[in-house]
Amino acid sequence: AQSVTQLDSHVSVSEGTPVLLRCNYSSSYSPSLFWYVQHPNKGLQLLLKYTSAATLVKGINGFEAEFKKSETSFHLTKPSAHMSDAAEYFCVVSDTPGGGNKLTFGTGTQLKVEL
Amino acid sequence: DAGVIQSPRHEVTEMGQEVTLRCKPISGHDYLFWYRQTMMRGLELLIYFNNNVPIDDSGMPEDRFSAKMPNASFSTLKIQPSEPRDSAVYFCASSLGGSEQFFGPGTRLTVL
Repeated sequence: AQSVTQLDSHVSVSEGTPVLLRCNYSSSYSPSLFWYVQHPNKGLQLLLKYTSAATLVKGINGFEAEFKKSETSFHLTKPSAHMSDAAEYFCVVSDTPGGGNKLTFGTGTQLKVEL
Repeated sequence: DAGVIQSPRHEVTEMGQEVTLRCKPISGHDYLFWYRQTMMRGLELLIYFNNNVPIDDSGMPEDRFSAKMPNASFSTLKIQPSEPRDSAVYFCASSLGGSEQFFGPGTRLTVL
């Protein structure tokens, strides 16, 4: 069985400050992990993915995430937040290599960026 | 590529009516997924297809829900009869051979 826990339902940062969105996972196998972003009234867009290659994964819009097996974590970070980053972020796990099959979504973290 | 296309974008209907949601996956993709998003339950996988064949429908809530994929470029999700608790945003996604999933813009369904 696979699951993800997003530790914060809401995160608020000031523009220009770092962003940290936390995610812990549970998986019976070697997992694939993803972060998706959802802007208001939009579909989900893939930010980045980990599929057992480099543990530090770089994504779009300056985001990156580090896979830490010992901590079962896959936290999302960005050095400097922008107003356009305000959205909901989902951590996602798949036991299937590449994630083409069943994905399990976290409950989401709403990121607010203030001036 | 136009991405995953869903129609309609918004649907308002009355309880008891039949609702049909439509999805056109990205050309060449061999997996298609239907999800439902609600405040209470978050994002849930309803069913997915591989090469037009349903693989796992364990997430379909009950017999009122059915999904078909008659060909590689079209899928439908039907609710008959609809109920107010079916109100949600329904997403379609597609992927190619085990790669990441690409999501459509969603259909916001309101059942009165």
